Amino acid sequence: GAGVSQTPSNKVTEKGKYVELRCDPISGHTALYWYRQSLGQGPEFLIYFQGTGAADDSGLPNDRFFAVRPEGSVSTLKIQRTERGDSAVYLCASSAETGGNEKLFFGSGTQLSVL
Amino acid sequence: SQKIEQNSEALNIQEGKTATLTCNYTNYSPAYLQWYRQDPGRGPVFLLLIRENEKEKRKERLKVTFDTTLKQSLFHITASQPADSATYLCALATSGGYNKLIFGAGTRLAVHP
Repeated sequence: GAGVSQTPSNKVTEKGKYVELRCDPISGHTALYWYRQSLGQGPEFLIYFQGTGAADDSGLPNDRFFAVRPEGSVSTLKIQRTERGDSAVYLCASSAETGGNEKLFFGSGTQLSVL
Repeated sequence: SQKIEQNSEALNIQEGKTATLTCNYTNYSPAYLQWYRQDPGRGPVFLLLIRENEKEKRKERLKVTFDTTLKQSLFHITASQPADSATYLCALATSGGYNKLIFGAGTRLAVHP
């Protein structure tokens, strides 16, 4: 595709439910990132994938959060037993290489609302 | 503690003037710094990257400076236009070989005709 695609664009759920957020990166991009952005704040790093493996998951808040990228392209962020504090915009980004100074291409995000 | 600070108040300027946005940081030693633009309901869009050994970088009407002694980056938009109105985010990367970016909260710029 032309850009990073995230689905759904909006997700409303009830406290305690399970949600999955999907990210389709730009074709051929090996690096994939998840960030979380709360209202009025900058994005906050969650996890980085290089290919299929999670090279750095140090930003995941707790063990309710998990992400996979089984074939090295599409990634899914999974949140169990959602809490109201999980409400935020979840952003996915990809980049072509992993030199460390490649620009990130972000999707438009998934707005998660936990009622 | 480690902090990145951007002007929290919106910056209002007249069309045609130069907008200057500030990014200050403490207790980081960034390998490089990036600036992104974010419009409401959209993800950030990359604008410029400047490395620790570079003083200044330009791209069309945009200019970024990086002073590692002052621990500050300035972002300038010359001949500003209403279409430049958006939130501008600065982001630091230490090292590690990947974009584990630490973002500031952003500064909202409003350019008035």
